[in-house]
Amino acid sequence: EAGVVQSPRYKIIEKKQPVAFWCNPISGHNTLYWYRQNLGQGPELLIRYENEEAVDDSQLPKDRFSAERLKGVDSTLKIQPAELGDSAVYLCATGVNYGYTFGSGTRLTVV
Amino acid sequence: QKEVEQNSGPLSVPEGAIASLNCTYSDRGSQSFFWYRQYSGKSPELIMFIYSNGDKEDGRFTAQLNKASQYVSLLIRDSQPSDSATYLCAGLNTGNQFYFGTGTSLTVIP
Repeated sequence: EAGVVQSPRYKIIEKKQPVAFWCNPISGHNTLYWYRQNLGQGPELLIRYENEEAVDDSQLPKDRFSAERLKGVDSTLKIQPAELGDSAVYLCATGVNYGYTFGSGTRLTVV
Repeated sequence: QKEVEQNSGPLSVPEGAIASLNCTYSDRGSQSFFWYRQYSGKSPELIMFIYSNGDKEDGRFTAQLNKASQYVSLLIRDSQPSDSATYLCAGLNTGNQFYFGTGTSLTVIP
């Protein structure tokens, strides 16, 4: 089992530029979460998908963040335009019932 | 008020001792709770989950849940230096939202 695959691992961009993160979940995992984790903090929920439906995006800053999950499998998270405060690790997690598995994350640095 | 509260620590224990990590939650309807371990620069990895009142043991780890007090804990027996990490408590609330605490940093001193 390949696990949750995220790319890229690292991304450095200038502020106001767009950026996208990609997540490939474990096969058969219907629930997919995107989290943002700042240094020294726990992961903060951004959006949750059940299959292809975004069932909870209440904490996604919709003015600049967007997400999609095509055909209920891969998901992308986009920021446009990026701000300095968006620098963080973006984590994707997927699961079936109990026990959510995280990908390795994308460390974003906005300069 | 955060959904899940943890003492951020840091917590230091000598090798071989019992490390006790604690967590409280605000949503009384939350049913399931999880403990994750996160090494510096790595993503969280699941250690245990618990959804019934009482204790659940897995090797050196014991999770405890007290729904009346809205309290979850993780005990690590015979602590090893390799247990040094940040431990994240997470809960699945009534809205099926998976919320994390801020984490407790544990250092096991050889």
